[in-house]
Amino acid sequence: NAGVTQTPKFRILKIGQSMTLQCTQDMNHNYMYWYRQDPGMGLKLIYYSVGAGITDKGEVPNGYNVSRSTTEDFPLRLELAAPSQTSVYFCASSSRDRIYEQYFGPGTRLTVT
Amino acid sequence: QKEVEQNSGPLSVPEGAIASLNCTYSDRGSQSFFWYRQYSGKSPELIMFIYSNGDKEDGRFTAQLNKASQYVSLLIRDSQPSDSATYLCAPWGGGSTLGRLYFGRGTQLTVWP
Repeated sequence: NAGVTQTPKFRILKIGQSMTLQCTQDMNHNYMYWYRQDPGMGLKLIYYSVGAGITDKGEVPNGYNVSRSTTEDFPLRLELAAPSQTSVYFCASSSRDRIYEQYFGPGTRLTVT
Repeated sequence: QKEVEQNSGPLSVPEGAIASLNCTYSDRGSQSFFWYRQYSGKSPELIMFIYSNGDKEDGRFTAQLNKASQYVSLLIRDSQPSDSATYLCAPWGGGSTLGRLYFGRGTQLTVWP
């Protein structure tokens, strides 16, 4: 049971480039989330999904897109990267029965220069 | 906008002391409260939750909740150097915010030997 996995672990992007952060969970969780964490700050919700085919915006969705075609995968797409998107990105998942118990992936450290 | 305020750190206590971490929240609809621990460079993990007024004890950890004052705290008794981490407070409300946690900035705790 790998839990929540994220790739890549680190990435440097140039301004204007695009990329997809991958997230996969093997716990059959319905709920999945994308957060960003800036230095010294809490976690800000970008997007979340309550099941395959259903996604919704969180607090800071601008500049990002998501899709959820399967229960396991929840990729996050960055279009036209900007320096303000430099952050650590965490993917998380939780079951319908214990929504609050979110299991986090190891994170992706992204730098946009 | 749901606000979550935590006592500004860093908090430094000697080994064996009691560490007190505080959190206030703005959303009166919040029903449950979660404490996540995040070691430096790692992802958050759930350590405690509380949903009733009063105290809840789990080993060396005690969560305290006062909904009238919109205040929740986490006490760590007999603090150990291994408790050194950032502690994130996360209220949770049902209804329209089902499945969404709102995280505070966190309080960084250092326990010195």
